[in-house]
Amino acid sequence: QKEVEQNSGPLSVPEGAIASLNCTYSDRGSQSFFWYRQYSGKSPELIMFIYSNGDKEDGRFTAQLNKASQYVSLLIRDSQPSDSATYLCAVHNQGGKLIFGQGTELSVKP
Amino acid sequence: AAGVIQSPRHLIKEKRETATLKCYPIPRHDTVYWYQQGPGQDPQFLISFYEKMQSDKGSIPDRFSAQQFSDYHSELNMSSLELGDSALYFCASSLGGGGSYNEQFFGPGTRLTVL
Repeated sequence: QKEVEQNSGPLSVPEGAIASLNCTYSDRGSQSFFWYRQYSGKSPELIMFIYSNGDKEDGRFTAQLNKASQYVSLLIRDSQPSDSATYLCAVHNQGGKLIFGQGTELSVKP
Repeated sequence: AAGVIQSPRHLIKEKRETATLKCYPIPRHDTVYWYQQGPGQDPQFLISFYEKMQSDKGSIPDRFSAQQFSDYHSELNMSSLELGDSALYFCASSLGGGGSYNEQFFGPGTRLTVL
């Protein structure tokens, strides 16, 4: 079992809809969680990070964290075709490195 | 804003050759991380440096070595290259070591192809 699990997708949503991306992690001691967006052949781009239980909103993006359930999610409101990419959930390891999930491919259809 | 710089962006090598990848972190960032991403895979951590000292080590082959210099740039040296080393190599930087709340920003990557 991977330390960080995501549904690989592809997740397909129509333009303007809400896209919901989910992630679970195995290390109960993890403290910080990151969402990266990666276009094919490009580098991961940091979208959001969250440390505390609950919701954190930034523009069209909302990250949700539930440490008791070891669950992190990312909601994208008013999805646009330009949001089509692979979304990587990453968990910060005590040593400093990021442990990534396998990524969820999102496709937003016009 | 200045970002992480990596060079070269593309590199083609033959088996058993050596390669050196360079990373220049965001100004004032003192921590550098190296990740390897194979086709269709998620990024895998290789090694990191904080204030020129190795701070963490992941699944880095013994054929690879790295260091961080006084100006905080880092180099990843890869020897006896194998076909399986073909991948995207990303460098990321952060400020203040590997603390839980330090965001890592990724460079554009070096695409290494081993023939």
